[in-house]
Amino acid sequence: EAQVTQNPRYLITVTGKKLTVTCSQNMNHEYMSWYRQDPGLGLRQIYYSMNVEVTDKGDVPEGYKVSRKEKRNFPLILESPSPNQTSLYFCASSVRGRGYGYTFGSGTRLTVV
Amino acid sequence: TQLLEQSPQFLSIQEGENLTVYCNSSSVFSSLQWYRQEPGEGPVLLVTVVTGGEVKKLKRLTFQFGDARKDSSLHITAAQPGDTGLYLCAGVRTGNQFYFGTGTSLTVIP
Repeated sequence: EAQVTQNPRYLITVTGKKLTVTCSQNMNHEYMSWYRQDPGLGLRQIYYSMNVEVTDKGDVPEGYKVSRKEKRNFPLILESPSPNQTSLYFCASSVRGRGYGYTFGSGTRLTVV
Repeated sequence: TQLLEQSPQFLSIQEGENLTVYCNSSSVFSSLQWYRQEPGEGPVLLVTVVTGGEVKKLKRLTFQFGDARKDSSLHITAAQPGDTGLYLCAGVRTGNQFYFGTGTSLTVIP
């Protein structure tokens, strides 16, 4: 089954404790992206990647890091999480080109206390 | 400031009624997509429109892309409780940049 897999689904952590949210897709998509979704603010892009070893900042990159060493994986790293990073996070992938949409993962609900 | 504004923000209707959701921008997009999201899940792609003036139908859902490729609408005929969810539009500009709308939360009451 074609899918984007995120782990974990739920995570509660403490301020300052480094964490990684994994994302993997099995569709050979070039384009991958991370979003956070907050009430009243909608989906905001954190980072995106056009292909292996090519990453760029989205609208809200502060406090996050990403890497794209393999085509299928695009982990999101929070080096020192803070409470304002409490949110619902989505990883998504797409074929490059204007006619194609995203396939989203099921989301990671992160709480930083 | 959001690049894409959706209206209405919230919509609660009775089963069997028709409705239209709008997605507007002052920017031109190379394509526009509609997604539906259920609570606790990721958005699921419903349709992509790429040509100005294009109309696509998906059973009871009709999607239209504006002639100038700046806006879009989603019309649902005879809404059912299973249509309940958050509807998101997303415009795509050059370089695969996606811009999501603010979302329309639809509740269909049986």
